[in-house]
Amino acid sequence: DAGITQSPRHKVTETGTPVTLRCHQTENHRYMYWYRQDPGHGLRLIHYSYGVKDTDKGEVSDGYSVSRSKTEDFLLTLESATSSQTSVYFCATATGELYQETQYFGPGTRLLVL
Amino acid sequence: ILNVEQSPQSLHVQEGDSTNFTCSFPSSNFYALHWYRWETAKSPEALFVMTLNGDEKKKGRISATLNTKEGYSYLYIKGSQPEDSATYLCALVPNTGNQFYFGTGTSLTVIP
Repeated sequence: DAGITQSPRHKVTETGTPVTLRCHQTENHRYMYWYRQDPGHGLRLIHYSYGVKDTDKGEVSDGYSVSRSKTEDFLLTLESATSSQTSVYFCATATGELYQETQYFGPGTRLLVL
Repeated sequence: ILNVEQSPQSLHVQEGDSTNFTCSFPSSNFYALHWYRWETAKSPEALFVMTLNGDEKKKGRISATLNTKEGYSYLYIKGSQPEDSATYLCALVPNTGNQFYFGTGTSLTVIP
């Protein structure tokens, strides 16, 4: 267990409102990732971070932004939530680059956008 | 976007049976391949990281092989047990960047 927590674990919100999800890790891992999980699509990368204030886009980044102001926290913001962003969101961390290091996943956040 | 495919989508086997499933990926983009096990209501857990053509990894009754030239990896479970019931995910790390492209998984149910 890599000590990854996500908050909130469940959230219901309305279309057009901003939403921020938090990922917190206690392992001092350099890399952090946000994924969404949808039926038929598996896990898809939204954004990732390779260090404090260093982030990059993933496969499905439109409508999302991230921030990492300290090693242990990686925030995912839905700037104006839409129903298509209803999903389960997973945070993950890794000690090093993925060609040799595995990822550790948080428990997930269920988001419903009405 | 890279296409990582897993087959079959789901599988039901009897306790004690051995089974295997496939992960296919574009060989020209290969850098590394990961296998994860994902139990219902839990988070994915890492099984293997594979990087070299011909790699074979083993953890207990679970093993995996890798063929980077033809773009596939097999996961084998010997003598399946009910506790092996889970979704097994593979994820490709491409040579273009430090990120994963996940397959949609194979859901395994082991019937006691």
